[in-house]
Amino acid sequence: QKEVEQNSGPLSVPEGAIASLNCTYSDRVSQSFFWYRQYSGKSPELIMSIYSNGDKEDGRFTAQLNKASQYVSLLIRDSQPSDSATYLCAVKGGKAGGTSYGKLTFGQGTILTVHP
Amino acid sequence: SAVISQKPSRDICQRGTSLTIQCQVDSQVTMMFWYRQQPGQSLTLIATANQGSEATYESGFVIDKFPISRPNLTFSTLTVSNMSPEDSSIYLCSGGQGHEQYFGPGTRLTVT
Repeated sequence: QKEVEQNSGPLSVPEGAIASLNCTYSDRVSQSFFWYRQYSGKSPELIMSIYSNGDKEDGRFTAQLNKASQYVSLLIRDSQPSDSATYLCAVKGGKAGGTSYGKLTFGQGTILTVHP
Repeated sequence: SAVISQKPSRDICQRGTSLTIQCQVDSQVTMMFWYRQQPGQSLTLIATANQGSEATYESGFVIDKFPISRPNLTFSTLTVSNMSPEDSSIYLCSGGQGHEQYFGPGTRLTVT
């Protein structure tokens, strides 16, 4: 089982629709969760971070975390063609003193295309 | 947030040679990391660059191949040694204060 797994893509949505990106993780002690956006030929850009159960909203983006289900998602409302990119889910190792502490583990990424 | 720069942005190198990549952060950060991203793939952590001590390498990566320095809290280097075409990839450094990590623009390395 992969440590961080994202829903298989690519995902294609029409402009104005809601894009839903999902991610599951295996390390139960993880405490920090991130979504990065990566445009082709560019480096990852941090767009959302979430640390506690529930929803966190920032503009058109909403991150959702459910630690009991080991599940994190990203919703993009009113999707725009400029949102077309690869979205990377990242989970930070949470156990102090553990070998994974402080390190990010990335999912394989989901390619999102928003068509006009 | 942290603003991170890398040099060089790209290079084409001959097999058997070495390349050192520099990473500069605009503020002091507690943690710095080096990643590799191969075409169409996600990011793979190479090592954690520890200030004042030896880097911590992930499984499959060794110090002889990827020596790392971190002389202070804002700067680190990664050397790719004795390069082969399999080392062709994008190398990214990241750093951050607290929970969040930010990435540099990456170094695109092609080994011929």
